[in-house]
Order: sequence, then structure tokens, then C-alpha cells
Amino acid sequence: KQEVTQIPAALSVPEGENLVLNCSFTDSAIYNLQWFRQDPGKGLTSLLLIQSSQREQTSGRLNASLDKSSGRSTLYIAASQPGDSATYLCAVPMYSGGGADGLTFGKGTHLIIQP
Amino acid sequence: NAGVTQTPKFRVLKTGQSMTLLCAQDMNHEYMYWYRQDPGMGLRLIHYSVGEGTTAKGEVPDGYNVSRLKKQNFLLGLESAAPSQTSVYFCASSPIGVGYTFGSGTRLTVV
Repeated sequence: KQEVTQIPAALSVPEGENLVLNCSFTDSAIYNLQWFRQDPGKGLTSLLLIQSSQREQTSGRLNASLDKSSGRSTLYIAASQPGDSATYLCAVPMYSGGGADGLTFGKGTHLIIQP
Repeated sequence: NAGVTQTPKFRVLKTGQSMTLLCAQDMNHEYMYWYRQDPGMGLRLIHYSVGEGTTAKGEVPDGYNVSRLKKQNFLLGLESAAPSQTSVYFCASSPIGVGYTFGSGTRLTVV
């Protein structure tokens, strides 16, 4: 069964900075990895999905990379804005496979962007 | 485009009471999931379903039951609520096990 670790647990940076959030997982036999965003008191919003055959995915100011062999993924946020303040969660399929049996989540990085 | 709708949004139960949480999705997704989110523990899978009429146990199924009688609905039941079941419950759906859509959550307090 997978275990997912996210570092740092919390991060506070001034507006405009570029930043990197880290995610590591124990079983490299994954089909995909997903990054989610959670705003306080709200549900999760999917940000990026990286298939195992891909090394990175981009959406606007967000770029996620995947290195299966080392069991790591990073989420890069460019030119951060106060609206980026949220908790960012990384998730991989719970068991070897595509995720039909559920996802294992990291505990998240709580990000605050100071105006 | 409602996506995934959870009812109720908030509930306070007394120990020993029962209740059912309803999750409804309008995206014709095959897979549906119930997670709980607790401080310091992250999100943990309770039960899931890979299609109408099917259910399976996740990481933390004890004290919960589920049913998927219709493809669009996934019900989570607590037969005898305990304070340890105080949590935020999230439902999610997915067409093929990727591309999850989450509901906005149900905040449950058991006193």
C-alpha cells in the first residue's frame, strides 16, 4: 500500500515569488499522480493529472513533474498570487493500478501567499 | 452542471444515533468514493463502488455501511454514531478511476 509524504507541511511567501511543493511516494509502480487544491471549508479541486508515461504537465502558472524512479513529484507555482493561498494535496493510486480502488493522499502543504 | 452534491452539509448527532449521508453525481461516472478527513490524518478512504450495485471496503470501513442502488447515488450510513466518527466526509466520483470530482463535504459532529 502506498504512503505519500508532502514537504513542507506549511509555507508562507510574499506575493510574486516562484515556489515548489514536494511530494514523495513509496511504491513507484503508479499509473498516475494527481495534484489537488483545497480551500478552507471546501472540497478538493483537481489541478493536474500526470500519467506514468509523462514527465510533466502544465496548466497556466502551474507545472507538475513526475519522477517515478525516485518516487517524487513537484508542483511548481510561478509568480504566486494571494488567490493561490490554499492547501495543496498530492495523491496516487492506493494500490498498483490506475486508481479505481481509491487514492492515497498526502497530508498536504498549507500555502499562504502574503500580499 | 452540479457535479457532486452532498447532503447534508452539517450535522450534529448524539452518540448512538444513526444517519445517512447522501452523495449524488450527475456526470454518469462509474466509480464513487467516500473519504473522511481528519486533522493530522489527511484523507482516508472509507468505502467505494466501481459500479451500480457494487461496494467495497477502503482503509477505514468499520462503523460505516454503504449502498449504491442507483448509479448516480452513493449512500454512507452510520448505524450507531461514535465520537470517533466526528469528521468531515467527502464524496468523490470518477469515470475510470482517474479525474476525480469531489463534493463540498459534510461536517459531522458526534457528541
